[in-house]
Amino acid sequence: QVQLVESGGGVVQPGGSLRLSCAASGFTFSNYGMHWVRQAPGKGLEWVTFIRSDGYNKYADSVKGRFTISRDNSKNTLYLQMNSLRPEDTAVYYCAKDCGLAGMRDYWGQGTLVTVSS
Amino acid sequence: DIVMTQSPDSLAVSLGERATINCRSSQSLLYSANNKNYLAWYQQKPGQPPKLLIYWASTRESGVPDRFSGSGSGTDFTLTISSLQAEDVAIYYCQQYYTSVRTFGQGTKVEIK
Repeated sequence: QVQLVESGGGVVQPGGSLRLSCAASGFTFSNYGMHWVRQAPGKGLEWVTFIRSDGYNKYADSVKGRFTISRDNSKNTLYLQMNSLRPEDTAVYYCAKDCGLAGMRDYWGQGTLVTVSS
Repeated sequence: DIVMTQSPDSLAVSLGERATINCRSSQSLLYSANNKNYLAWYQQKPGQPPKLLIYWASTRESGVPDRFSGSGSGTDFTLTISSLQAEDVAIYYCQQYYTSVRTFGQGTKVEIK
């Protein structure tokens, strides 16, 4: 079965950097696009970024130029490099497997908390 | 980007009564290649990640009680809880997965009256 396990969250000062990882299993990782979605405390769900199987990517305007999504297909791992962090980036970050072309559904991990605070 | 709008923002329903949540998308979510609507419903309880209830607008995820049902096509969708139970108190989100830029409704908080 599909499993996604995020790691790398923690407390970081404003202006700092953090790299999140998402270990994937239960499917052929290299064949699927992957997403990061976040949820600030007490707020709704916000899509952050997407990377296709060929490396093509997209970003939400709120993180463009600061965050970088990448993947290592040999390690079945998705990454999110977050630079120039702001207090408003404080959130639980979820990785998600794209449903694929004509697929049924996305799959989500359990999330990792990032807190940006001095 | 596709804009998702849910209504109402919150609702209070008596135990055993019906709860209905609406979701509208700014463009059609119907994929012509397989005639499926790329609309999902999630339930989120405090301190937990979102849990998938419904995908393809009306297909119940395995293990989800049959009091939860989804309907609609194109741009207008509905999640119905036929007989509200205490454990259904949560926030419910619709999500479109028609495009690679995923977007969500703002959420509907369901409480017991």
